[in-house]
Amino acid sequence: GAGVSQTPSNKVTEKGKYVELRCDPISGHTALYWYRQSLGQGPEFLIYFQGTGAADDSGLPNDRFFAVRPEGSVSTLKIQRTERGDSAVYLCASSLNARSDEQFFGPGTRLTVL
Amino acid sequence: DAKTTQPPSMDCAEGRAANLPCNHSTISGNEYVYWYRQIHSQGPQYIIHGLKNNETNEMASLIITEDRKSSTLILPHATLRDTAVYYCIVRVSYTDKLIFGTGTRLQVFP
Repeated sequence: GAGVSQTPSNKVTEKGKYVELRCDPISGHTALYWYRQSLGQGPEFLIYFQGTGAADDSGLPNDRFFAVRPEGSVSTLKIQRTERGDSAVYLCASSLNARSDEQFFGPGTRLTVL
Repeated sequence: DAKTTQPPSMDCAEGRAANLPCNHSTISGNEYVYWYRQIHSQGPQYIIHGLKNNETNEMASLIITEDRKSSTLILPHATLRDTAVYYCIVRVSYTDKLIFGTGTRLQVFP
């Protein structure tokens, strides 16, 4: 079956611009997670949705980062006024529900801010 | 979540067992040990998890010491496709986020 998909696979933008990154979770998965991975580091948690609501957004680095999941399926991570330090691979994962042990990850979106 | 310590890199010959250690000396009684791996340019992939008993599935075995302060992931017959970064994570089961460290880069060679 289809796994988690993320679009675009690569995004190059200029400093100060606005970007949106999209995640399509596995059908029927109610929990959705965003992580960010810098070169040579492990993924870093950003935000977690259970259904439509953000259950834990403690990992968002500042108010330039925002994520939505209006219908409890697709999620969009939005970054305003991008900075060069935002360059990273943004990973999305989903799980059947909040009590699931296994998170299924997408391939990620590589964001480069010039 | 408790912190984990893993060696930065390891090598293993193809067909041999790969034993990846992890120290988690501050693990709490309700925290599980999880292992994920990340093949180059892909998202992480779940491998196995356990609380205190040893666990085995089609991918690997997990051996947890009796005091739960360390564990070992065993890939019984490593293949070239097992070359990846392996992350050991401790977390309270059924909680949200995974806290990744820097993992162990396993290189399987022919």
